[in-house]
Amino acid sequence: GAGVSQSPSNKVTEKGKDVELRCDPISGHTALYWYRQSLGQGLEFLIYFQGNSAPDKSGLPSDRFSAERTGGSVSTLTIQRTQQEDSAVYLCASSLVGVWGDRSSYNEQFFGPGTRLTVL
Amino acid sequence: GQNIDQPTEMTATEGAIVQINCTYQTSGFNGLFWYQQHAGEAPTFLSYNVLDGLEEKGRFSSFLSRSKGYSYLLLKELQMKDSASYLCAVRDLDQAGTALIFGKGTTLSVSS
Repeated sequence: GAGVSQSPSNKVTEKGKDVELRCDPISGHTALYWYRQSLGQGLEFLIYFQGNSAPDKSGLPSDRFSAERTGGSVSTLTIQRTQQEDSAVYLCASSLVGVWGDRSSYNEQFFGPGTRLTVL
Repeated sequence: GQNIDQPTEMTATEGAIVQINCTYQTSGFNGLFWYQQHAGEAPTFLSYNVLDGLEEKGRFSSFLSRSKGYSYLLLKELQMKDSASYLCAVRDLDQAGTALIFGKGTTLSVSS
């Protein structure tokens, strides 16, 4: 079946411009996550959506970052006024169940191929 | 707070066995994951441990000791295709939902 898809695969932009990154999760997955992977660094959690609940934005590095998830499916991560330190691979993941405190399932996360963002 | 530590790099030869260690400190531990990530590709799930002990899956095994905050990934009969980055990740109930906290990854190079 179809996995998590992301677009674009690569994005080069100039400092100060806004960018939008898109994620299509696996159909039926209620939980969606955005991570950022910088060179030489581990994956950094950014934001988490569970169903129609308000997202947890605790990982967003600044107010220039925002994300939406429409209809409980597709998500868009927006970075405003991009800076060079925003250059990274942005990974989206989805899982079947994402209920807080759920110990009955290990809620494997399936990752998309990522969007490589380069800010010049 | 949360902290995940694993070696930056390891090297091994084909056919050998390698053990990649991971130590963690979390406040609301709810499972440890290992992911494999080839260069330029998405991470793919390898294993999950939530209880102490060893989970075996083919050539790969993963071990967890919750009291020690310690896990290892054991790769047997190494093949060239096992050259990749191996990511240790912990789920922490005190963090957002079921989001994962990742270590920086261990880059494994397998030579012939």
